[in-house]
Amino acid sequence: DGGITQSPKYLFRKEGQNVTLSCEQNLNHDAMYWYRQDPGQGLRLIYYSQIVNDFQKGDIAEGYSVSREKKESFPLTVTSAQKNPTAFYLCASTSRYPGEQYFGPGTRLTVT
Amino acid sequence: DQQVKQNSPSLSVQEGRISILNCDYTNSMFDYFLWYKKYPAEGPTFLISISSIKDKNEDGRFTVFLNKSAKHLSLHIVPSQPGDSAVYFCAASGGNNFNKFYFGSGTKLNVKP
Repeated sequence: DGGITQSPKYLFRKEGQNVTLSCEQNLNHDAMYWYRQDPGQGLRLIYYSQIVNDFQKGDIAEGYSVSREKKESFPLTVTSAQKNPTAFYLCASTSRYPGEQYFGPGTRLTVT
Repeated sequence: DQQVKQNSPSLSVQEGRISILNCDYTNSMFDYFLWYKKYPAEGPTFLISISSIKDKNEDGRFTVFLNKSAKHLSLHIVPSQPGDSAVYFCAASGGNNFNKFYFGSGTKLNVKP
């Protein structure tokens, strides 16, 4: 059945290491998104992509990078430049406008 | 610059009563609004949406009301059930960047048995 997968569910890294979070969708959606959620806060947009080989910065892009080489995949790299990388990361996609976003189950990243 | 605001971080309601969650926005170009439900450590799930050409949309126990002049929308849940206990986010999109969604900070609903 169709959906969005994020792996792994939990990820632990040492400070100073880059880490890549996976997001795959089989919904044939054009647009994909990465959000970050911190405890007690809402969703903040990191990057989004409306089409393959194109992406735009969201509100908190510093310290993150993305690629969109395939329609199904939108990986997010958390670099060592990100000051506070520990958070819950959510990937989403949407097919059309207007239309709802579908979310993956999320990846909890802990950097120590 | 938060364009979508949910000013009530939490709401407690008795089972069977109505839950009303509120959301305000500042950008008059927004023309599509959504409500999501989220449990801890899970992704949000879509509940209901409304476009700016309507002022009400209903789906079972969930109704969303839109007041464009006040830039305000609300989600009504009737009757509330303990399984509705979760964090609810409102979101908006529209204008030049119609594929970009703006989320509120969420309201944590607790439905007491």
